[in-house]
Amino acid sequence: DSGVTQTPKHLITATGQRVTLRCSPRSGDLSVYWYQQSLDQGLQFLIQYYNGEERAKGNILERFSAQQFPDLHSELNLSSLELGDSALYFCASSRDLSGANVLTFGAGSRLTVL
Amino acid sequence: GDSVTQMEGPVTLSEEAFLTINCTYTATGYPSLFWYVQYPGEGLQLLLKATKADDKGSNKGFEATYRKETTSFHLEKGSVQVSDSAVYFCALFNTNAGKSTFGDGTTLTVKP
Repeated sequence: DSGVTQTPKHLITATGQRVTLRCSPRSGDLSVYWYQQSLDQGLQFLIQYYNGEERAKGNILERFSAQQFPDLHSELNLSSLELGDSALYFCASSRDLSGANVLTFGAGSRLTVL
Repeated sequence: GDSVTQMEGPVTLSEEAFLTINCTYTATGYPSLFWYVQYPGEGLQLLLKATKADDKGSNKGFEATYRKETTSFHLEKGSVQVSDSAVYFCALFNTNAGKSTFGDGTTLTVKP
């Protein structure tokens, strides 16, 4: 157990639907990152939050949004789902933004869009 | 922007063979460098790291040295085991940008 909790572990839904993925960071970690891992595109950085504020944005689609709440947990919202959104979505957390910034990953949420 | 380029996989080795997975990077400033490993069905976990030039990171028999002159951080292990079969990701953290960048991952399969 890495200390980063992601729910749900598996999710199957239909095209056009909306889902929310949840992440609780490791205790004491202030920064949360979201990544998408698919077979053809590897590990893609989506977005990062630090202490409630958006810190960096990667290849996140406009149909996707995220936020980090005051208790530091984060949610990734995926809407108007397409078949190509099927992937593993990982959340990671880190203590701060220092140079030895080690990311601790959750086990992932596997999204299947039918 | 920052980028990490890894040796393309998949890599298949016999048990006790020598492993090298090449990694080179492009970044502004002086990034920290990492190797993460993803075992089947699991999330990524830190394998080793180096935070400045000439540092050597090591863990579980794996080693990588931060080479600023060649902008490289190659992963090596002298004798691989079946249990080392996994996907290996090279990554950097750019302190100025406060952002991590990952390579595409290299799949290693070790056969008995």
